[in-house]
This record gives sequence, C-alpha cells and structure tokens, in this order.
Amino acid sequence: QVQLVQSGAEVKKPGASVKVSCKASGYTFTSYYMHWVRQAPGQGLEWMGIINPSGGSTVYAQKFQGRVTMTRDTSTSTVYMELSSLRSEDTAVYYCATSGYSYGSNDYWGQGTLVTVSS
Amino acid sequence: SYVLTQPPSVSVAPGKTARITCGGNNIGSKSVHWYQQKPGQAPVVVIYYDSDRPSGIPERFSGSNSGNTATLTISSVEAGDEADYYCQVWDSSSDHRGFGGGTKLTVL
Repeated sequence: QVQLVQSGAEVKKPGASVKVSCKASGYTFTSYYMHWVRQAPGQGLEWMGIINPSGGSTVYAQKFQGRVTMTRDTSTSTVYMELSSLRSEDTAVYYCATSGYSYGSNDYWGQGTLVTVSS
Repeated sequence: SYVLTQPPSVSVAPGKTARITCGGNNIGSKSVHWYQQKPGQAPVVVIYYDSDRPSGIPERFSGSNSGNTATLTISSVEAGDEADYYCQVWDSSSDHRGFGGGTKLTVL
C-alpha cells in the first residue's frame, strides 16, 4: 500500500532554514508527482509547490518563490522540501501528498510535520 | 492567482442534505477536487474531477461543477461527516493549484 512517511517535528529560530523529508513506498516513486501543502494552526490548506520525481522539475507557488526548494532522491524514494528565511508565520504543519497528474487530486498524504518557528 | 471562495461554515441536521459551495471565475471550466479533513488528521479526497468518488467514499458524497460554482453535496448527513471541507483546483494558466478557504461542516 502507498505510504508517505515524513520526518519529525522541528523547532527553528527566525531566519533559519528547515528541511522536511517525505519517504515514499508502495508504488513506483517516479510515477507520481509530489506536492507540498502546509497548514498554519487553525488555518486552511495552502499549496506550496510540486515536484516531478521523474525528472526533478518543480513549480513553486508565487508566495514561496525564492524561499522554497523541492528536491528528490530517487535512490531512496524520498522528496525534500527546504524553506529558508523562516519567520513566525511559517509555523505550520507541512504535508507531502501525491497526485497522478500535475492537475490530479492529492490521493495520498503524509502524516504531516510540525515546524515551529520561535525565538 | 485564482481565487476560490467557500462559506466559512455550514450547519445541517442529521439525515438532511448539506451543500458546500466553492466559487471561482468560470470554475466550471476547471477540474475541482474536494477534501475532508478531521481534527488532527491529514486531508482525504472525497470527490475528484468534479464528481468522481474514490473507492471507500460513501455514495452520499457527490459533486457538481458549472459556471462560477462547484458544489459538494452530502446527503443523509451523519455525525461522522462533521469536518472541514476544502475545494481545490489547478489553474492551467499559471500551472499552480490552490485551495478554497475551507468550510466547517457542523452536524446539529
């Protein structure tokens, strides 16, 4: 069965960077796109971007361009999301989620990773 | 960026029908996905491509999309349907996707 297992919670200081991992199993890693979605406490879902694990191409939401980098390691079936210049507003649960097409629904989700930004 | 508008909350009595709307400019020309999210859990897709239902999702969940409004309909609402619901679209002009603000469904 498809599983997405994310790395554990992080606490960072303002201005620092965080790198969250998402290890996929149960399917051919390069066959599904991977998205990153975040959710601030008590708030809605926010799409951050997408990576094609096959070639590594990425599309980032305008809001995060210049601060976010999504990469993948096909040898370990893992995707990474790095967010830099953290501020308190970046405190959120970060999810990875698959889709069969870039426009398709997010069928499988990771368990979420809480990133707390605090001085 | 493409804006999706959802009502913040919808309340319905058990056994009745809940309708959650998602408004957007000419949203009928786009594919809409709907997600259910319960507290402390990751979202789950309940409707994809406007009206398709994933396996395991009850037939009580249905979707439609036309003009400037997409609608998620939940018939014979049960207490277990109480959750936040989000619509999502992919904007082909920007190759971005976005979520509506979410609707909290309360079962009275």
